Amino acid sequence: DIQLTQSPSSMSASLGDRVSLTCQSSQGIGNYLSWYQHKPGKPPKPMIYYATNLADGVPSRFSGSRSGSDYSLTISSLESEDTAIYYCLQYDEYPLTFGSGTKLEIK
Amino acid sequence: QVQLEESGPGLMQPSETLSLTCTVSGFSLTSNGVGWVRQPLGKGLVWMGTIWAGGSTNYNSAVQSRLSISRDTSKSQVFLKMNSLQPEDTGTYYCARHGWPYYFDYWGQGVMVTVSS
Repeated sequence: DIQLTQSPSSMSASLGDRVSLTCQSSQGIGNYLSWYQHKPGKPPKPMIYYATNLADGVPSRFSGSRSGSDYSLTISSLESEDTAIYYCLQYDEYPLTFGSGTKLEIK
Repeated sequence: QVQLEESGPGLMQPSETLSLTCTVSGFSLTSNGVGWVRQPLGKGLVWMGTIWAGGSTNYNSAVQSRLSISRDTSKSQVFLKMNSLQPEDTGTYYCARHGWPYYFDYWGQGVMVTVSS
Protein backbone atom coordinates (compact mmCIF):
# COMPACT_ATOMS: atom_id res chain seq x y z
CA ASP A 1 0.00 0.00 0.00
CA ILE A 2 1.09 3.56 -0.66
CA GLN A 3 1.91 5.42 2.54
CA LEU A 4 1.29 9.13 2.81
CA THR A 5 3.27 10.85 5.55
CA GLN A 6 1.90 14.19 6.63
CA SER A 7 3.95 16.73 8.52
CA PRO A 8 3.70 18.28 10.93
CA SER A 9 1.08 16.26 12.80
CA SER A 10 -0.08 19.46 14.45
CA MET A 11 0.80 23.10 14.39
CA SER A 12 -0.40 26.46 15.51
CA ALA A 13 0.07 29.72 13.68
CA SER A 14 -1.08 33.30 13.92
CA LEU A 15 -3.72 35.03 11.87
CA GLY A 16 -2.20 36.29 8.64
CA ASP A 17 0.69 33.81 8.68
CA ARG A 18 1.72 31.85 5.62
CA VAL A 19 1.33 28.14 6.42
CA SER A 20 2.51 25.09 4.50
CA LEU A 21 1.46 21.51 5.18
CA THR A 22 3.34 18.62 3.62
CA CYS A 23 2.34 15.17 2.40
CA GLN A 24 5.08 12.77 1.27
CA SER A 25 4.23 9.71 -0.78
CA SER A 26 6.11 6.40 -0.40
CA GLN A 27 5.70 5.71 -4.13
CA GLY A 28 5.12 7.69 -7.26
CA ILE A 29 1.51 8.79 -7.61
CA GLY A 30 1.89 11.44 -10.28
CA ASN A 31 -0.53 14.24 -9.55
CA TYR A 32 -3.26 11.95 -8.17
CA LEU A 33 -3.35 13.64 -4.80
CA SER A 34 -6.08 15.71 -3.19
CA TRP A 35 -6.39 17.67 0.05
CA TYR A 36 -9.39 17.82 2.40
CA GLN A 37 -10.30 20.14 5.25
CA HIS A 38 -12.12 18.38 8.07
CA LYS A 39 -13.93 20.16 10.88
CA PRO A 40 -15.73 18.44 13.80
CA GLY A 41 -19.25 17.36 12.96
CA LYS A 42 -18.83 18.14 9.27
CA PRO A 43 -17.86 16.00 6.29
CA PRO A 44 -14.42 16.48 4.75
CA LYS A 45 -14.33 19.35 2.30
CA PRO A 46 -12.24 19.04 -0.87
CA MET A 47 -9.69 21.83 -1.14
CA ILE A 48 -7.22 20.75 -3.83
CA TYR A 49 -7.37 18.02 -6.48
CA TYR A 50 -4.84 16.67 -8.96
CA ALA A 51 -2.14 18.14 -6.71
CA THR A 52 -2.50 21.76 -7.77
CA ASN A 53 -6.10 22.46 -8.75
CA LEU A 54 -8.35 24.51 -6.47
CA ALA A 55 -11.69 22.81 -5.79
CA ASP A 56 -14.92 24.71 -6.39
CA GLY A 57 -15.64 27.45 -3.88
CA VAL A 58 -12.26 27.26 -2.13
CA PRO A 59 -10.70 30.65 -1.33
CA SER A 60 -7.73 31.66 -3.43
CA ARG A 61 -5.49 31.86 -0.34
CA PHE A 62 -5.25 28.06 -0.60
CA SER A 63 -2.89 26.50 -3.12
CA GLY A 64 -1.33 23.12 -3.84
CA SER A 65 2.08 22.25 -5.19
CA ARG A 66 4.27 19.26 -5.91
CA SER A 67 7.99 18.62 -5.83
CA GLY A 68 8.75 15.02 -6.73
CA SER A 69 6.98 12.86 -4.17
CA ASP A 70 6.39 15.78 -1.81
CA TYR A 71 3.07 17.57 -1.98
CA SER A 72 2.18 20.77 -0.17
CA LEU A 73 -0.94 22.64 0.79
CA THR A 74 -0.22 26.31 1.40
CA ILE A 75 -2.42 28.95 2.99
CA SER A 76 -1.06 32.36 2.05
CA SER A 77 -2.71 34.28 4.88
CA LEU A 78 -4.22 32.27 7.71
CA GLU A 79 -7.77 33.08 8.78
CA SER A 80 -9.62 31.89 11.88
CA GLU A 81 -11.99 29.70 9.84
CA ASP A 82 -9.01 27.68 8.59
CA THR A 83 -8.74 25.84 11.92
CA ALA A 84 -9.26 22.17 11.03
CA ILE A 85 -7.54 18.87 10.38
CA TYR A 86 -6.18 18.60 6.86
CA TYR A 87 -5.83 15.23 5.12
CA CYS A 88 -4.19 14.28 1.88
CA LEU A 89 -5.51 11.40 -0.24
CA GLN A 90 -3.81 9.50 -3.04
CA TYR A 91 -6.08 8.04 -5.68
CA ASP A 92 -3.46 6.66 -8.04
CA GLU A 93 -3.47 3.09 -6.77
CA TYR A 94 -5.69 0.77 -4.76
CA PRO A 95 -6.19 0.90 -1.90
CA LEU A 96 -6.82 4.61 -1.89
CA THR A 97 -4.99 5.92 1.15
CA PHE A 98 -5.22 8.99 3.32
CA GLY A 99 -2.44 10.62 5.27
CA SER A 100 -2.80 10.70 9.04
CA GLY A 101 -3.70 14.39 9.03
CA THR A 102 -2.29 17.71 10.19
CA LYS A 103 -4.19 19.53 12.92
CA LEU A 104 -4.00 23.26 12.32
CA GLU A 105 -4.84 25.66 15.11
CA ILE A 106 -4.74 29.41 15.53
CA LYS A 107 -2.43 30.85 18.18
CA GLN B 1 -27.31 20.17 -7.02
CA VAL B 2 -25.27 17.14 -6.07
CA GLN B 3 -26.24 15.61 -2.74
CA LEU B 4 -25.47 12.39 -0.92
CA GLU B 5 -27.18 11.20 2.25
CA GLU B 6 -26.24 8.21 4.37
CA SER B 7 -28.78 6.31 6.41
CA GLY B 8 -28.68 3.29 8.64
CA PRO B 9 -28.82 2.08 12.23
CA GLY B 10 -26.79 3.96 14.78
CA LEU B 11 -26.27 1.11 17.24
CA MET B 12 -25.13 -2.40 16.39
CA GLN B 13 -24.17 -5.46 18.40
CA PRO B 14 -20.84 -7.23 17.91
CA SER B 15 -20.98 -9.94 15.23
CA GLU B 16 -23.97 -8.31 13.51
CA THR B 17 -24.06 -7.16 9.89
CA LEU B 18 -24.09 -3.43 9.18
CA SER B 19 -26.27 -2.18 6.34
CA LEU B 20 -25.95 1.43 5.22
CA THR B 21 -27.62 3.22 2.33
CA CYS B 22 -26.31 6.22 0.44
CA THR B 23 -29.05 8.02 -1.47
CA VAL B 24 -27.75 10.39 -4.12
CA SER B 25 -29.31 13.17 -6.16
CA GLY B 26 -28.11 15.61 -8.78
CA PHE B 27 -26.09 13.01 -10.69
CA SER B 28 -26.40 9.48 -12.03
CA LEU B 29 -24.70 6.44 -10.54
CA THR B 30 -23.94 5.36 -14.10
CA SER B 31 -21.85 8.52 -14.58
CA ASN B 32 -19.86 8.72 -11.33
CA GLY B 33 -18.42 6.27 -8.86
CA VAL B 34 -19.37 6.40 -5.19
CA GLY B 35 -17.04 5.40 -2.41
CA TRP B 36 -17.36 4.71 1.29
CA VAL B 37 -14.95 6.28 3.76
CA ARG B 38 -15.00 5.77 7.49
CA GLN B 39 -13.45 7.53 10.42
CA PRO B 40 -12.95 5.23 13.40
CA LEU B 41 -13.52 6.99 16.69
CA GLY B 42 -10.61 9.31 17.39
CA LYS B 43 -8.71 8.31 14.27
CA GLY B 44 -8.20 9.42 10.69
CA LEU B 45 -10.02 8.75 7.44
CA VAL B 46 -9.97 5.31 5.81
CA TRP B 47 -11.20 4.40 2.34
CA MET B 48 -13.31 1.26 2.46
CA GLY B 49 -14.32 0.71 -1.14
CA THR B 50 -15.90 2.11 -4.27
CA ILE B 51 -18.52 1.12 -6.78
CA TRP B 52 -17.71 2.62 -10.13
CA ALA B 53 -20.01 3.99 -12.82
CA GLY B 54 -19.84 0.74 -14.76
CA GLY B 55 -20.81 -1.27 -11.68
CA SER B 56 -17.39 -2.72 -10.84
CA THR B 57 -16.14 -2.54 -7.28
CA ASN B 58 -12.82 -2.16 -5.48
CA TYR B 59 -12.31 -2.78 -1.80
CA ASN B 60 -9.70 -2.04 0.82
CA SER B 61 -8.05 -5.37 1.57
CA ALA B 62 -8.24 -4.57 5.29
CA VAL B 63 -12.02 -5.09 5.21
CA GLN B 64 -12.53 -6.87 1.89
CA SER B 65 -13.47 -10.21 3.43
CA ARG B 66 -16.31 -8.57 5.39
CA LEU B 67 -17.47 -5.88 2.97
CA SER B 68 -19.87 -5.70 0.06
CA ILE B 69 -20.86 -2.59 -1.90
CA SER B 70 -23.76 -2.66 -4.35
CA ARG B 71 -26.23 -0.25 -5.90
CA ASP B 72 -29.72 0.23 -7.30
CA THR B 73 -29.37 2.74 -10.11
CA SER B 74 -33.14 3.11 -10.51
CA LYS B 75 -33.38 4.32 -6.92
CA SER B 76 -30.07 6.23 -6.98
CA GLN B 77 -28.88 4.28 -3.99
CA VAL B 78 -25.58 2.71 -3.03
CA PHE B 79 -25.44 0.06 -0.32
CA LEU B 80 -22.72 -0.96 2.10
CA LYS B 81 -22.91 -4.25 3.95
CA MET B 82 -20.24 -5.29 6.42
CA ASN B 83 -20.47 -8.41 8.52
CA SER B 84 -18.86 -9.61 11.72
CA LEU B 85 -18.88 -6.16 13.28
CA GLN B 86 -16.51 -5.48 16.16
CA PRO B 87 -16.27 -2.53 18.58
CA GLU B 88 -13.35 -1.17 16.53
CA ASP B 89 -15.78 -0.66 13.64
CA THR B 90 -17.34 2.15 15.67
CA GLY B 91 -17.06 5.46 13.90
CA THR B 92 -18.55 7.76 11.30
CA TYR B 93 -19.27 6.37 7.86
CA TYR B 94 -19.35 8.66 4.82
CA CYS B 95 -20.32 8.09 1.24
CA ALA B 96 -18.65 10.35 -1.31
CA ARG B 97 -18.79 10.88 -5.06
CA HIS B 98 -15.77 10.38 -7.26
CA GLY B 99 -15.41 13.46 -9.43
CA TRP B 100 -12.84 13.97 -12.16
CA PRO B 101 -10.09 12.89 -11.94
CA TYR B 102 -11.46 10.45 -9.36
CA TYR B 103 -10.98 12.49 -6.21
CA PHE B 104 -13.94 12.77 -3.79
CA ASP B 105 -15.70 15.97 -4.80
CA TYR B 106 -18.97 15.66 -2.85
CA TRP B 107 -19.56 14.03 0.51
CA GLY B 108 -22.56 13.03 2.56
CA GLN B 109 -22.92 14.34 6.10
CA GLY B 110 -21.93 10.98 7.52
CA VAL B 111 -23.65 8.53 9.83
CA MET B 112 -22.34 7.53 13.24
CA VAL B 113 -22.29 3.81 13.92
CA THR B 114 -21.61 2.43 17.39
CA VAL B 115 -20.82 -1.24 17.89
CA SER B 116 -21.40 -2.23 21.46
CA SER B 117 -23.00 -4.98 23.48
